[in-house]
Amino acid sequence: NAGVTQTPKFRVLKTGQSMTLLCAQDMNHEYMYWYRQDPGMGLRLIHYSVGEGTTAKGEVPDGYNVSRLKKQNFLLGLESAAPSQTSVYFCASSARGGANVLTFGAGSRLTVL
Amino acid sequence: AQSVAQPEDQVNVAEGNPLTVKCTYSVSGNPYLFWYVQYPNRGLQFLLKYITGDNLVKGSYGFEAEFNKSQTSFHLKKPSALVSDSALYFCAVRAYGGATNKLIFGTGTLLAVQP
Repeated sequence: NAGVTQTPKFRVLKTGQSMTLLCAQDMNHEYMYWYRQDPGMGLRLIHYSVGEGTTAKGEVPDGYNVSRLKKQNFLLGLESAAPSQTSVYFCASSARGGANVLTFGAGSRLTVL
Repeated sequence: AQSVAQPEDQVNVAEGNPLTVKCTYSVSGNPYLFWYVQYPNRGLQFLLKYITGDNLVKGSYGFEAEFNKSQTSFHLKKPSALVSDSALYFCAVRAYGGATNKLIFGTGTLLAVQP
C-alpha cells in the first residue's frame, strides 16, 4: 500500500542545472498534481494532469515542465534551476470527481544554490 | 477570485482544552471544503471534508468542522486537544471550473498544544 511515492526526497542543485522529480501512484487515480510549499504561502499548484497524455498549467507553472506518459507516473522537470525554485515539492493524486480526496506523497526538498 | 484565508499563523492551546482553527473562503457556487494536516517532514493527510448536507462534519482523530454558509467559514474544532495534535493544518476549497478537482489551499495554521 505505497500510495504516492516521490523520488528523490532531497536534492541540491546549482543555478542553471536541470533535474526531474518523479511521482508514482499505485491507486489507479486519474488525476495527478504537483504543488510547491513555501513558508507563509501554503501550497500552490504548479501543473496538473487529468489523465494519461494530458497536462495543464496551475497557478505557478513558469520554469517547470511536466509529462504524464503513463497513468501511474507524473514527472516534474526543471530545465534551468533558479534559487527561487528552492522549495518543498509535493505530488498528489485523486480519483475523478470534485469531492474526492487528494492523496499526497511525502515531499521532495529541493535547494538551488 | 476564489480563495481561502486562514487568519492565524499559529494557535496555542493547553492539552485538554478545546481548540479552534479558523478558515474562511470565497468561491463561486457551492463549495467543497477540506481540512488537511501535515506533521513535520511528512506529506499532507486528509482530515475531513464538507460536500453537502449536515453542516457539522466529523473526521479523523476526533476533529470536526462546522460549515457556515452565511459567514463563509469552515472552522476546524476539537473538544479536547492532545499534544500529538501539534501540527500544521491546511484548509482547502475546490476551485470551480475545468475538468478537475484541483484545490486552493490556505497558508496554513500551526497548532501548538502545550502539555
